[in-house]
Amino acid sequence: EAGVAQSPRYKIIEKRQSVAFWCNPISGHATLYWYQQILGQGPKLLIQFQNNGVVDDSQLPKDRFSAERLKGVDSTLKIQPAKLEDSAVYLCASSLGGGFSYNEQFFGPGTRLTVL
Amino acid sequence: AQSVAQPEDQVNVAEGNPLTVKCTYSVSGNPYLFWYVQYPNRGLQFLLKYITGDNLVKGSYGFEAEFNKSQTSFHLKKPSALVSDSALYFCAVRDSSGNDMRFGAGTRLTVKP
Repeated sequence: EAGVAQSPRYKIIEKRQSVAFWCNPISGHATLYWYQQILGQGPKLLIQFQNNGVVDDSQLPKDRFSAERLKGVDSTLKIQPAKLEDSAVYLCASSLGGGFSYNEQFFGPGTRLTVL
Repeated sequence: AQSVAQPEDQVNVAEGNPLTVKCTYSVSGNPYLFWYVQYPNRGLQFLLKYITGDNLVKGSYGFEAEFNKSQTSFHLKKPSALVSDSALYFCAVRDSSGNDMRFGAGTRLTVKP
C-alpha cells in the first residue's frame, strides 16, 4: 500500500516570498491533515479536511496560510507571504475518517521549509 | 482546548531494561489517546491508541500503554528495551467529539547497549 506522498521534500525561500506544498493521501482516506512541526516541538494541527470540506482550521494563520483539497483527494498548503517564523517541517497525514476521530493517522515524510 | 504534557525531554535506558515514557493530558470529556514514534529521517508512525475499554493497550514493536483516568496519564512502556527503540516519541490527545488533535513536545528515548 502506498503511503502519504508529499512534495517537495525541501524548500528554501526568502521572507515575503510565496510557497506551496502538495500532499497525496493514502487511497480511500477521507480525512486529511496538515501539521506544522517547528524544531524541538510536537506537530501542531493547522487544518483538517473531511473529503473536500474543512472540519477544523482553528489554528491556521489565515492571513497568510491557505489550504484546499479539491475533489477530496490531493491537497495543497500555501504560505503567502512567508515569515522567518514559518521555518518548520510541514507534515501531511491522512486517516480513514468517516467521522471516527479515533482512527490512527498515517504521516508523510514532510516538507522542510527554510525561510531566510 | 485539550493539551498534552510530556514532562521528560530525554529518557535514557540500558538495553534489556524496562522503559517508561510519560504523558499526561487535559481534555474535556472522554479522551482518545495516541502514541506515535519518529525515527531519524522517517515520518511519524502510529504505535498504539486508547479509545475505550481495557486500560492496558498493546501496540506495535512490543510497546504498551496504560490509561489512568484518575491521574490523567497515558504512559508508554516496554518490558525490555532495544537499541533500535531509540527515537522521538510523541503522545497525542483528542476528545471524543472534536477534531482538535494535540501533540506533546516529544520525548527522546535513547537505549544504550
